[in-house]
Amino acid sequence: GQQVMQIPQYQHVQEGEDFTTYCNSSTTLSNIQWYKQRPGGHPVFLIQLVKSGEVKKQKRLTFQFGEAKKNSSLHITATQTTDVGTYFCFQGAQKLVFGQGTRLTINP
Amino acid sequence: DTGVSQDPRHKITKRGQNVTFRCDPISEHNRLYWYRQTLGQGPEFLTYFQNEAQLEKSRLLSDRFSAERPKGSFSTLEIQRTEQGDSAMYLCASSLSGGLTGELFFGEGSRLTVL
Repeated sequence: GQQVMQIPQYQHVQEGEDFTTYCNSSTTLSNIQWYKQRPGGHPVFLIQLVKSGEVKKQKRLTFQFGEAKKNSSLHITATQTTDVGTYFCFQGAQKLVFGQGTRLTINP
Repeated sequence: DTGVSQDPRHKITKRGQNVTFRCDPISEHNRLYWYRQTLGQGPEFLTYFQNEAQLEKSRLLSDRFSAERPKGSFSTLEIQRTEQGDSAMYLCASSLSGGLTGELFFGEGSRLTVL
């Protein structure tokens, strides 16, 4: 079935380092969303990307949607301890599927 | 509180028992989703409703699982003859429908432990 593959599964960084997670699909996506789940919490919506090549920024977070609309990335600049959590991509237009998530841990 | 609410938050049951979870979505949202999440994994899609119509069900939803949304408002997810493999967090989310799936608002989840 349709899936979104997300890498890496885990990422551990020093506070202040950058972090990137990638989401890839074998099929063209109508849109893609990103969610953050804090430890012990529930997923919380971050952003939705719709257009080919779209780039959106939220403070230190940069989201990109590939030109072919088959991949997306989330980049965090200068991580802070508040960024800890698991980041999921989600494709809602076809099969309502979440990626496996990238768990970010930070050494303060 | 006008967010998505789920009840109960925690349920411990013995294998073979039936359990039911309830979800109250955000009032103006017409779409409601059920997901299951186990430790270290992403949410797995179970089913979703638009108003009272159940539009899609995952293969994960075996014949022991059933979901309803009788009046297009709250929803229930029932698991019959529970198995230890059913232990997980059951997440409910709601959204406004549109051309594309809108932002999903999740509840806090119902954690099921099957002994």
